[in-house]
Amino acid sequence: DAGVIQSPRHEVTEMGQEVTLRCKPISGHNSLFWYRQTMMRGLELLIYFNNNVPIDDSGMPEDRFSAKMPNASFSTLKIQPSEPRDSAVYFCASRIGTANNEKLFFGSGTQLSVL
Amino acid sequence: EDQVTQSPEALRLQEGESSSLNCSYTVSGLRGLFWYRQDPGKGPEFLFTLYSAGEEKEKERLKATLTKKESFLHITAPKPEDSATYLCAVRISSGSARQLTFGSGTQLTVLP
Repeated sequence: DAGVIQSPRHEVTEMGQEVTLRCKPISGHNSLFWYRQTMMRGLELLIYFNNNVPIDDSGMPEDRFSAKMPNASFSTLKIQPSEPRDSAVYFCASRIGTANNEKLFFGSGTQLSVL
Repeated sequence: EDQVTQSPEALRLQEGESSSLNCSYTVSGLRGLFWYRQDPGKGPEFLFTLYSAGEEKEKERLKATLTKKESFLHITAPKPEDSATYLCAVRISSGSARQLTFGSGTQLTVLP
C-alpha cells in the first residue's frame, strides 16, 4: 500500500492567492483528517470526515479555509485568500473508522509558505 | 481546559543510555492516550494506545505506561535510529468523538 498521499509536498505562494492542498487516503479507510502543524501551536485538527461527510470542522480557523471530500479516495483543503500566518505543514491522515480505533496513518505533509 | 504537556522539550542521550519521556494530561473523561513518532519531513507514525491506568505496551526498545495523570515512554538502550520527535495525544469523552489533542512533543536525539 502506498500510504496516504499528499500533494504538493511544498507550496510557496504570495499573500492573497488561492491554495489547494490534495490528499488521497489509504484505500478502505473511511475517516479522513486534516491537521496543521506549527512550532507555536503544535499539531491541530482542522476538520475530519467520516464516510465523506464532514463531522467536525470546529478547528477550521476562518471562512478562508474550506475542505471537501467528493469521494472516498480524494479530499482537498483550500485556503482563499491565503495569508502569511497560514504558513505551516498541513497533514492529511486516514483510518478505518471503527470504535476505539485511533491508529491514524499520516501523509508526509504539505509545507506551505505564504509570502 | 483540557491540556497535554510533554517534557522535556528536547533530550539528548548517548547510545545505550536509557531514559523516559513524560506526557502529563489534565482532561476530563480520558478515552485513550496515544504515542506517535515523527521523523523530520514526515507525518507522525502510530506507536501505542493506552486506555486505563496501569496498562503497559512494549515495542522493541520502547515501553509506554499510563497512570491517572500521566504517561511515560521509556526508552531502553536507545540507538541513533530512535532519534525522532515523540508526540503523545489524548482522546476525551466529551466534544468530538474522534478528536485527538496532541502535545507539543519531545525531540529525542541519540548520539552514537
